[in-house]
Amino acid sequence: DAGVIQSPRHEVTEMGQEVTLRCKPISGHDYLFWYRQTMMRGLELLIYFNNNVPIDDSGMPEDRFSAKMPNASFSTLKIQPSEPRDSAVYFCASSHSGRSLYEQYFGPGTRLTVT
Amino acid sequence: TQLLEQSPQFLSIQEGENLTVYCNSSSVFSSLQWYRQEPGEGPVLLVTVVTGGEVKKLKRLTFQFGDARKDSSLHITAAQPGDTGLYLCAGVTGNQFYFGTGTSLTVIP
Repeated sequence: DAGVIQSPRHEVTEMGQEVTLRCKPISGHDYLFWYRQTMMRGLELLIYFNNNVPIDDSGMPEDRFSAKMPNASFSTLKIQPSEPRDSAVYFCASSHSGRSLYEQYFGPGTRLTVT
Repeated sequence: TQLLEQSPQFLSIQEGENLTVYCNSSSVFSSLQWYRQEPGEGPVLLVTVVTGGEVKKLKRLTFQFGDARKDSSLHITAAQPGDTGLYLCAGVTGNQFYFGTGTSLTVIP
């Protein structure tokens, strides 16, 4: 059974460019989470969805960040325009409410470098 | 200020030694999870504890939830190089979910 799939695994872009990160959750999971991890701040929750609906986006740092989930099998996190301080590893995770939405399965992450 | 503080932040030990990692808070949690993250990968769930005083074992790993559900510990017996990684606790309080600051463990062969 496939786990959470993220693409790309690595992204290098210049300041000011638009960046789109993609995630495919585990089939049947009804929660999807986006996290950012840095050495300084650790693992931070950015936003999460339940049944494709955004529930809590209070962790989204600013208006340059947006996330969508058009269907149960796909989500995107977009940064426009990107800045060097956005450099981090971005993780997508999914979970199933029938077990516990807090028992999350993480993807391998996208390492973003903004120069 | 982090809601979940882990200690130590870094730990380097020899293969075969025992170790304990702590996860502390002033808040009460309805449940607490432990994850392990290896370099270049996402965190992997190890265990969930929900009852104060609960102890769970996973091979050489022993997890304990504090009686007051404000803290937790992870004890590893006879550490092996394969235990190397970042250990993260995560807790649920109210309807909020928080990750701890992490403990980076290196087991030297």
